[in-house]
Amino acid sequence: NAGVTQTPKFRILKIGQSMTLQCAQDMNHNYMYWYRQDPGMGLKLIYYSVGAGITDKGEVPNGYNVSRSTTEDFPLRLELAAPSQTSVYFCASSYGQGGYGSYEQYFGPGTRLTVT
Amino acid sequence: QKEVEQNSGPLSVPEGAIASLNCTYSDRGSQSFFWYRQYSGKSPELIMSIYSNGDKEDGRFTAQLNKASQYVSLLIRDSQPSDSATYLCAVFPIQGAQKLVFGQGTRLTINP
Repeated sequence: NAGVTQTPKFRILKIGQSMTLQCAQDMNHNYMYWYRQDPGMGLKLIYYSVGAGITDKGEVPNGYNVSRSTTEDFPLRLELAAPSQTSVYFCASSYGQGGYGSYEQYFGPGTRLTVT
Repeated sequence: QKEVEQNSGPLSVPEGAIASLNCTYSDRGSQSFFWYRQYSGKSPELIMSIYSNGDKEDGRFTAQLNKASQYVSLLIRDSQPSDSATYLCAVFPIQGAQKLVFGQGTRLTINP
């Protein structure tokens, strides 16, 4: 199993550009999450999904959009990039069907995004 | 009050000693507790899960949970320089949305 994969690893955007960060998992997990982590800071939840077709906002959703058309994929869309979106973005997944172990989250390697 | 609180550190421990990391949480009904290790420039890696009061040991790592006092701790025995990282405590609250709540992390440095 590849686990959670993310592409690209690095990206530089100009202000106002848009892009999609890709995330995929092959563990048949139901729950998927997007976090951002600024230098020296903790994780902030952007959006999450508890299943295909279901998404919900986290603590910092402004400037981002998500969709979940399949169990495996959970792309994050940045519209009109701003310097404040410079960060490292992590995707994570968990099984989420109840019972001990269901909520253990596994993280992808991250995407380092710079907006200039 | 933050939902999950950790001392941000840095915590400096000599090689071979025991490193003790602490975490408190506010949701009394929380049932699942996790410790993640994050090396600089890398993603968080799950190292311990604990669900019941008491101790859980895995190699050099021991997680301790006290639900009455609402704290969870991580002990690292025989600390090695490779244990230098930021350790994140995460709690799955019984109420609210289906997502983990993470602490800000404690930066641990093991000095040779």
